[in-house]
Amino acid sequence: AQKVTQAQTEISVVEKEDVTLDCVYETRDTTYYLFWYKQPPSGELVFLIRRNSFDEQNEISGRYSWNFQKSTSSFNFTITASQVVDSAVYFCALSEANSGAGSYQLTFGKGTKLSVIP
Amino acid sequence: DVKVTQSSRYLVKRTGEKVFLECVQDMDHENMFWYRQDPGLGLRLIYFSYDVKMKEKGDIPEGYSVSREKKERFSLILESASTNQTSMYLCASSYRTSGTDEQYFGPGTRLTVT
Repeated sequence: AQKVTQAQTEISVVEKEDVTLDCVYETRDTTYYLFWYKQPPSGELVFLIRRNSFDEQNEISGRYSWNFQKSTSSFNFTITASQVVDSAVYFCALSEANSGAGSYQLTFGKGTKLSVIP
Repeated sequence: DVKVTQSSRYLVKRTGEKVFLECVQDMDHENMFWYRQDPGLGLRLIYFSYDVKMKEKGDIPEGYSVSREKKERFSLILESASTNQTSMYLCASSYRTSGTDEQYFGPGTRLTVT
């Protein structure tokens, strides 16, 4: 069975600090997809990134970067020079690309609440 | 932009009432999902649908049913609401008939059952 662990329940940083959110996953499939979502105080989850299991290249998008390492089953998310608007709950999720109906299912971690203090 | 809307942001119902939560997406997505979100438990899948009139149970389907009569609309039904169904309910949709595409979420409905 697939599983996603976000060990950090809450993190507080001072504005402009860098912060890394950890995500560790478990899956038996060789083909799978990893996602990060942001949930600001308004409540709506916002998609940030999708990664497939064959693409281990790190990705950078502005102040956001993602480090995917299959060897350690991790997909960590770093925010550089954090801002107050980054305050949110961040979820990591996993989907297995098998042929069954269960392949539609995203398994979410329990989320990490990030507070950026001005 | 993908738009997923939910009928209510806040809802208060009494124990035993039948409750309907409606979700509409405007991007012709095949897949639609209902999750509930509880503190410390994250998001848990209740039901999903990959086509009109098709449904699959998720991790916690007990006490819920769903209906998808039109492609754009997916309803979650609480046949007899109970206090342990007080939660945030999130609807989502995705494009392809696989697990590869990202899901787009609605703003959520915070349901309180008294």
